[in-house]
Amino acid sequence: NAGVTQTPKFRVLKTGQSMTLLCAQDMNHEYMYWYRQDPGMGLRLIHYSVGEGTTAKGEVPDGYNVSRLKKQNFLLGLESAAPSQTSVYFCASSWWTGTTEAFFGQGTRLTVV
Amino acid sequence: KQEVTQIPAALSVPEGENLVLNCSFTDSAIYNLQWFRQDPGKGLTSLLLIQSSQREQTSGRLNASLDKSSGRSTLYIAASQPGDSATYLCAVERDTNAGKSTFGDGTTLTVKP
Repeated sequence: NAGVTQTPKFRVLKTGQSMTLLCAQDMNHEYMYWYRQDPGMGLRLIHYSVGEGTTAKGEVPDGYNVSRLKKQNFLLGLESAAPSQTSVYFCASSWWTGTTEAFFGQGTRLTVV
Repeated sequence: KQEVTQIPAALSVPEGENLVLNCSFTDSAIYNLQWFRQDPGKGLTSLLLIQSSQREQTSGRLNASLDKSSGRSTLYIAASQPGDSATYLCAVERDTNAGKSTFGDGTTLTVKP
């Protein structure tokens, strides 16, 4: 059972480039989330999804887009990367909110130069 | 806006010591509180989840308590071991919005052999 898998694990981008981070979960979870983790700022929610075909904005959505075309996948896109988006990105999933634990991926370390 | 504070930011103890990590939150209208462990370069692993109607949860040497009215939670680790060395984060989920957890910055624990 793989749990939550994120690809890639590391990436260096030049300012203005675009990329997509992929999150895949094999637990049939309804809820999926994208967070970024920065020193001194904890984890902040970027976008989340409460089911296939749905997405919603989190705390820091600007500069990111997401899609949930399949229940098991949640994609995070950066259309035009900026140095401020240098961070560690975590994907998480849960069966339902409020009553069950969230499972996290291993993270993607992104550097924008 | 919900704010989550964890004190201390770092803690170093000798092996075998019992210890308490603190988490406080400003808005008591929470749905649940969750404690996570994060090892360097890794994702988060859920340790304990406490529903807003519960007072505490236990798992092995870990015990988490919740005082919703005062906005506080503690994570008690008994008989600490070097393998407990990690960063511990708490997260509170708001009462009204699915999946929108607010994380603290974490307490980095070092247990010395």
